[in-house]
Amino acid sequence: AQTVTQSQPEMSVQEAETVTLSCTYDTSENNYYLFWYKQPPSRQMILVIRQEAYKQQNATENRFSVNFQKAAKSFSLKISDSQLGDTAMYFCAFMEGSQGNLIFGKGTKLSVKP
Amino acid sequence: EPEVTQTPSHQVTQMGQEVILRCVPISNHLYFYWYRQILGQKVEFLVSFYNNEISEKSEIFDDQFSVERPDGSNFTLKIRSTKLEDSAMYFCASSEWREDEQYFGPGTRLTVT
Repeated sequence: AQTVTQSQPEMSVQEAETVTLSCTYDTSENNYYLFWYKQPPSRQMILVIRQEAYKQQNATENRFSVNFQKAAKSFSLKISDSQLGDTAMYFCAFMEGSQGNLIFGKGTKLSVKP
Repeated sequence: EPEVTQTPSHQVTQMGQEVILRCVPISNHLYFYWYRQILGQKVEFLVSFYNNEISEKSEIFDDQFSVERPDGSNFTLKIRSTKLEDSAMYFCASSEWREDEQYFGPGTRLTVT
């Protein structure tokens, strides 16, 4: 069974600094997708970024980028120029290509300090 | 921008009662999902739905749970006889295709007393 591990329960960063959140996963599949979701205090789940496993190029969305290391089964999220509004729980999620269900990690609580 | 909506935002019910949680997925999406998040824990998959039938379900999704798409817009999750441990945030999500990103609704907080 696939598993997703986020080893950092909590992190903090100063406003305008850069922070990296870690995620590792375990799968024997070759066709899969990886996601980062953000959950602010309102508890709404918001998609941050998506990566297809067959793509070597790391996904980027404005201040958010990933470091996808397929051989190491690692998928970290880098947030540049951190803003107060980035304060949230961040969940890493895995989806096997032949199925639609997301498997989530336990999350990392990120606090951005002024 | 289209969004997934869920009603009610908060539901309080007594143990043993039936509840129906409602969702309106994004209109051109074909795949629908329910997830739950017990307070302080990770988000867990319950069920996926495509072409008017369940395509995947987890071990959590037992006989007490059912899903339905009663018309062209709503997608519902029914819990027949609620238990205390069903207290959680329930999220509906939808995607255009199976491998696409899933867009989540704001959630329904279910409290079973």
